[in-house]
Amino acid sequence: GIQVEQSPPDLILQEGANSTLRCNFSDSVNNLQWFHQNPWGQLINLFYIPSGTKQNGRLSATTVATERYSLLYISSSQTTDSGVYFCAVGSYSGGGADGLTFGKGTHLIIQP
Amino acid sequence: KAGVTQTPRYLIKTRGQQVTLSCSPISGHRSVSWYQQTPGQGLQFLFEYFSETQRNKGNFPGRFSGRQFSNSRSEMNVSTLELGDSALYLCASSSFQGPYEQYFGPGTRLTVT
Repeated sequence: GIQVEQSPPDLILQEGANSTLRCNFSDSVNNLQWFHQNPWGQLINLFYIPSGTKQNGRLSATTVATERYSLLYISSSQTTDSGVYFCAVGSYSGGGADGLTFGKGTHLIIQP
Repeated sequence: KAGVTQTPRYLIKTRGQQVTLSCSPISGHRSVSWYQQTPGQGLQFLFEYFSETQRNKGNFPGRFSGRQFSNSRSEMNVSTLELGDSALYLCASSSFQGPYEQYFGPGTRLTVT
């Protein structure tokens, strides 16, 4: 199956700093999503980005499908950005869908 | 519109018992997927349902099963519970089967004692 690697595993930053989270995947995919898991466990959708670049406020993401990686950028970090960020990928073959394969996540801590 | 809902939110069961979890997808979504999250294994795909049919299944024993109803609501069942089944169980819905964006519910936290 598809392998997903996220880096770094842990990241500690001061409020106001910028950060880049990376997601590498081992095979072609046509679904890639970034999530933020809140302290209660719910996965919050950040981006659905199988290819290209998207921006939403202080967050942006880029996926280069041909090189099998995606980047999540967080600018001007706030303490509320703390938490675990997951990258998840999937593929659809026409006969059915594979479930999303998740990376192990990046645990981000923003210090005031 | 309302998001994905899961019930119950918390559950404590004893080894050997069985449990049923429920998921209601976003209105109009017909695909429901289930995932298990544990500290050791992370987030893992259990199965996906579309139009009341299981379309795909992850690498879990047969004790884990599910079904989907005609209104797209889904249930998953775990029989003969083991301590290792303690986990956060997440349900996701999407408007089409396959590669389209999945939206997750708040999860059911199951503790097996």
